[in-house]
Amino acid sequence: GAVVSQHPSWVICKSGTSVKIECRSLDFQATTMFWYRQFPKQSLMLMATSNEGSKATYEQGVEKDKFLINHASLTLSTLTVTSAHPEDSSFYICSARDRLDFSAGAYEQYFGPGTRLTVT
Amino acid sequence: GDSVTQMEGPVTLSEEAFLTINCTYTATGYPSLFWYVQYPGEGLQLLLKATKADDKGSNKGFEATYRKETTSFHLEKGSVQVSDSAVYFCALSRLNNQGGKLIFGQGTELSVKP
Repeated sequence: GAVVSQHPSWVICKSGTSVKIECRSLDFQATTMFWYRQFPKQSLMLMATSNEGSKATYEQGVEKDKFLINHASLTLSTLTVTSAHPEDSSFYICSARDRLDFSAGAYEQYFGPGTRLTVT
Repeated sequence: GDSVTQMEGPVTLSEEAFLTINCTYTATGYPSLFWYVQYPGEGLQLLLKATKADDKGSNKGFEATYRKETTSFHLEKGSVQVSDSAVYFCALSRLNNQGGKLIFGQGTELSVKP
């Protein structure tokens, strides 16, 4: 149980275009999803916290107009990188918290396999 | 603010050697503590966790004990295998820290040679 998928697993796009990454919780409902960015050989940097049905909360320094997050259902959150540039190339990872876990007082996050974005 | 500090890598060991990866944290109250593992090209997988002082988390031969007095959560394994080669992340989470977001350490790369 507790499987999170991401699509696509990797994507190459041209500078100036937009790309959408999907994050799905496959066997549980996630009221909260998180989006991270990871550079090579570095830790995960939290970009934003996404709550179903409401606006995402962005971390300091993350451009909300560039990284659009939508969490329209209890099983799907999307991250759209708008007008992508080479410096946006990175590994993007989402995680989700099970609605039932949270109600029980556990705060574990289940991670997706990540999406590697390359902007040329 | 909350923070997690891990020993720097990379750590290189021979198969069947003993592993320790140090992790210390700074946080108010009683956070939950986690170890995540990331295999090459993959996302993170939860390895083990502990939610209160003196709890011991264990999984796949790995274990870590939540030490409140030393604010530590060191990861140990008695005999590592080549398949344990990965990056290990220590993390903490507090409910009143913006809804339980995870604070990660910088990660420690482990390489196990046959």
